[in-house]
Amino acid sequence: EAQVTQNPRYLITVTGKKLTVTCSQNMNHEYMSWYRQDPGLGLRQIYYSMNVEVTDKGDVPEGYKVSRKEKRNFPLILESPSPNQTSLYFCASSSDKNFYGYTFGSGTRLTVV
Amino acid sequence: DQQVKQNSPSLSVQEGRISILNCDYTNSMFDYFLWYKKYPAEGPTFLISISSIKDKNEDGRFTVFLNKSAKHLSLHIVPSQPGDSAVYFCAGRDDKIIFGKGTRLHILP
Repeated sequence: EAQVTQNPRYLITVTGKKLTVTCSQNMNHEYMSWYRQDPGLGLRQIYYSMNVEVTDKGDVPEGYKVSRKEKRNFPLILESPSPNQTSLYFCASSSDKNFYGYTFGSGTRLTVV
Repeated sequence: DQQVKQNSPSLSVQEGRISILNCDYTNSMFDYFLWYKKYPAEGPTFLISISSIKDKNEDGRFTVFLNKSAKHLSLHIVPSQPGDSAVYFCAGRDDKIIFGKGTRLHILP
């Protein structure tokens, strides 16, 4: 089944403790992206990647890092999480270079206390 | 600057009637507009799109209308069904996809 898999689905962590949210897609898509969803703010793009080793900032990149060492994986790294990064995170991928018709993962609900 | 605006946070519609979800945009460089649907505890799923050179696209019960002069698009769902209850995101595409804040649609029995 074609899908985008995120792990974990739920995570509670403490301020300052580094964490990684993994994202993997099995559709051989070149283009991947991370979004966060917050009440009243909708979906905001954090980072995106057009191909292996090619990443770029989205609208809200502060406090996040990403890497794209291989095509299928696009992990999101929070080096020093803070409470304002408590959010619902979605990874997405697309075969189109302009991200037409995204396939989204099921989401990761992160709470930073 | 909010490039894609969904001004109605929520909308309630009787089952069987028409649901109309509205979206306004400010970016004239958008070449495609997309609608995504999201259920709780799931990721958004692509629903329907329209090219900026068209004014209408239809797919079953879903029709999207684009009025470029007004920078406005709308999603029509006819007839509305209970399974349509979800959050709907409007999005525009230039070199990336920009989403609106979403509208929560409730279909009433």
